[in-house]
Amino acid sequence: QVQLVQSGAEVKKPGSSVKVSCKASGGTFSSYAISWVRQAPGQGLEWMGRIIPILGIANYAQKFQGRVTITADKSTSTAYMELSSLRSEDTAVYYCARLTVEDWYFDLWGRGTLVTVSS
Amino acid sequence: DIVMTQTPLSSPVTLGQPASISCRSSQSLVHSDGNTYLSWLQQRPGQPPRLLIYKISNRFSGVPDRFSGSGAGTDFTLKISRVEAEDVGVYYCMQATQFPPFTFGPGTKVDIK
Repeated sequence: QVQLVQSGAEVKKPGSSVKVSCKASGGTFSSYAISWVRQAPGQGLEWMGRIIPILGIANYAQKFQGRVTITADKSTSTAYMELSSLRSEDTAVYYCARLTVEDWYFDLWGRGTLVTVSS
Repeated sequence: DIVMTQTPLSSPVTLGQPASISCRSSQSLVHSDGNTYLSWLQQRPGQPPRLLIYKISNRFSGVPDRFSGSGAGTDFTLKISRVEAEDVGVYYCMQATQFPPFTFGPGTKVDIK
């Protein structure tokens, strides 16, 4: 069955960028969308954006507009989330999640990637 | 943006007893296509979120039938008929009717008394 396998933990300096990957292992993205959701330490879930890989169309939360870029490589069934101008408040676990485009729910989640922003 | 609120934020429960979580949205979640895209997720400690319920009351594959969802419009409820030890975690409601952005409730922590 399909799993979403995310890249490993990152430690970044303030002002730098991070790029996290999410590969659909055991399958493809097919007709799903991939979203990125982050969770700061001890906090709730925050949606950042999504991409529909077969169309290459991405939408972003207003909060992250201009700082986040979500892309997908259909040939490798891998999605990417790049966040720039990092600050300490961006320290969080970043999850990719598969989104059905018919009933709009997240049916599959990656295990998360911890991004720590520290000088 | 649609704001999601949940009550209570913390719910200590006795094993075998029921639990109930309420979720309210700042606007109706009825989509123009007639569906209501409200789902519930469970996050156990140290784990990623997991889908429990979608479109108000549809139990996802593999989810025990002690979990049920109900509601309409702006008011929704997740019920656990008999809490088990494995149900400890944080529960989130989420709306996908109006996006971007998808929005989540603040989460309700369920633990054992």
